[in-house]
Amino acid sequence: SQQGEEDPQALSIQEGENATMNCSYKTSINNLQWYRQNSGRGLVHLILIRSNEREKHSGRLRVTLDTSKKSSSLLITASRAADTASYFCATDSSGGYNKLIFGAGTRLAVHP
Amino acid sequence: DTEVTQTPKHLVMGMTNKKSLKCEQHMGHRAMYWYKQKAKKPPELMFVYSYEKLSINESVPSRFSPECPNSSLLNLHLHALQPEDSALYLCASSQVGSYNEQFFGPGTRLTVL
Repeated sequence: SQQGEEDPQALSIQEGENATMNCSYKTSINNLQWYRQNSGRGLVHLILIRSNEREKHSGRLRVTLDTSKKSSSLLITASRAADTASYFCATDSSGGYNKLIFGAGTRLAVHP
Repeated sequence: DTEVTQTPKHLVMGMTNKKSLKCEQHMGHRAMYWYKQKAKKPPELMFVYSYEKLSINESVPSRFSPECPNSSLLNLHLHALQPEDSALYLCASSQVGSYNEQFFGPGTRLTVL
């Protein structure tokens, strides 16, 4: 079952622009993770943010978490054509089992 | 080695066939997972193994039978599947417990005729 929703469902931008994706979830969480998936392949972990953290950076990625609003955002700065992929947030509420529930995902297209 | 491998890459089977999907990792991870992903949908968790024991079964039909013969291998045995079971089956592994990233394999694309 899906934990929550992501918006937008699809995003189309030009190289060099920033891309922002949002994720909402329904229950309290231990942590929230973002993954990228290139066309029908395996997922790649991007970043993990704990429930007691508000912001985290990794290279061109910036993730925020607002537990009061049960929402998170992923910002990709200075996007590249190679960033074209689907991006999923995933939440863990399982109390130790690392059971991830994925959001619906955002399909990002970056045009050269 | 940070790779999770899955075989086969593609599988076509009839509804009366028995087949198995295999997953292998050599990262020393003691948690392994099976996910099912339909086209343009997010992955859905099927099973979680911790220390080679089944810890979570997300009410998956019995025609899917997981097996973890050792800490590096995870199998998914398939029997009497339905066409609606056609999907991408993803395996993942991680350290046991929360706050650990999961490493995914490339998946097996399953088609049930």
